[in-house]
Amino acid sequence: QTVVTQEPSFSVSPGGTVTLTCGLSSGSVSTRYYPSWYQQTPGQAPRTLIYSTNTRSSGVPDRFSGSILGNKAALTITGAQTDDDSDYYCVLYMGGGNWVFGGGTKLTVL
Amino acid sequence: EVQLVESGGGLVQPGGSLRLSCTASGFIFSIYSMNWVRQAPGKGLEWVSYIRSSPSTISYADSVKGRFTISRDDAKTSLYLQMNSLRAEDTAVYYCARDYAYNFDMWGRGTMVTVSS
Repeated sequence: QTVVTQEPSFSVSPGGTVTLTCGLSSGSVSTRYYPSWYQQTPGQAPRTLIYSTNTRSSGVPDRFSGSILGNKAALTITGAQTDDDSDYYCVLYMGGGNWVFGGGTKLTVL
Repeated sequence: EVQLVESGGGLVQPGGSLRLSCTASGFIFSIYSMNWVRQAPGKGLEWVSYIRSSPSTISYADSVKGRFTISRDDAKTSLYLQMNSLRAEDTAVYYCARDYAYNFDMWGRGTMVTVSS
């Protein structure tokens, strides 16, 4: 069974930089998994931030960026704002019309 | 307006059935693949099922395989999820999500399904 791993929680100060990661229980994440990232605040539907590793979704501020760092996908927030205090999910495409979400990272900005 | 609107959620007893619908508007529904994603209370997101645009290819998460059936009616711009043999662990908000470039680029607001006696 494929498990996608994310840090359960992270904290960053306003104006700071934070990198959240998305890994695989076995193996490395690469661009062939088309990693994408979603932001979700309580009671709201998820919002797409990054898709296909590093493509920013329409309207997403450029302080959000995606990449592959080592053997993981990464979401970097540069110049964090209090509005970024949210849950962040990555998802990997496993092929054949199958996806696996990570468990999510609760980001606190304070 | 470009949107997805889910409906059909509610309270159902264990072992029961429910059919969810997702109505799309504002875009050419027939050319997009679609998904169902769910979120149990206080938990993370879980991909549930996928249906490609014509010709239809369908896939399911192991947790629902054999119990849930995804379908679509392009003439009605609608996506469906027939859920049978429901269990307590199926309790969740169910979102429909449009697929673009292996990404869930548009989401509905979700419909709540509660499985309880």
